[in-house]
Amino acid sequence: GENVEQHPSTLSVQEGDSAVIKCTYSDSASNYFPWYKQELGKRPQLIIDIRSNVGEKKDQRIAVTLNKTAKHFSLHITETQPEDSAVYFCAASTGTASKLTFGTGTRLQVTL
Amino acid sequence: DGGITQSPKYLFRKEGQNVTLSCEQNLNHDAMYWYRQDPGQGLRLIYYSQIVNDFQKGDIAEGYSVSREKKESFPLTVTSAQKNPTAFYLCASSMGDYRSYEQYFGPGTRLTVT
Repeated sequence: GENVEQHPSTLSVQEGDSAVIKCTYSDSASNYFPWYKQELGKRPQLIIDIRSNVGEKKDQRIAVTLNKTAKHFSLHITETQPEDSAVYFCAASTGTASKLTFGTGTRLQVTL
Repeated sequence: DGGITQSPKYLFRKEGQNVTLSCEQNLNHDAMYWYRQDPGQGLRLIYYSQIVNDFQKGDIAEGYSVSREKKESFPLTVTSAQKNPTAFYLCASSMGDYRSYEQYFGPGTRLTVT
């Protein structure tokens, strides 16, 4: 089955700096790659996703890049703010039943 | 935060007892999922269902059971066979097809078994 690895497990940046979180996946058939944000004590929420026919997608300060050849994808957050502090999860899916395999999460802390 | 609900928020049980966690959605989604979340391990899929009266095992189904008798409901039973049941349980739903793969999560149930 699919295996998703996520790095780093923790990341601390200063407000205004950029943050990058990286994930690799094992199943070349995977074609959908979402990123979820989970604030402390709350449910995970989708922040951005990308399908395999696209190499990059951007939404304001957040962007995701996908390298299908290398089987890795990354989340980029620019101009970080304290409210970006949360745990971020990447995931991959082959699209069948939209079954997701999640990475182990990255705890991002944005310091003032 | 409507759409998908879980109850209760906190649940305490004695070892050896079965316990059922509730999950309801009014999003008209076909697919529903149960995940277990432990510190440092992300979200692990327990069971999922693409349609009423059908469900499949996920990666860690042992010690759990589910039913899908109604489109809106996907209860999870944690049986006494589950060796480490204390965890945070999240239910999710999605359209489950090419229209949208986004999964919407419920608020979760924190189960403590002593």
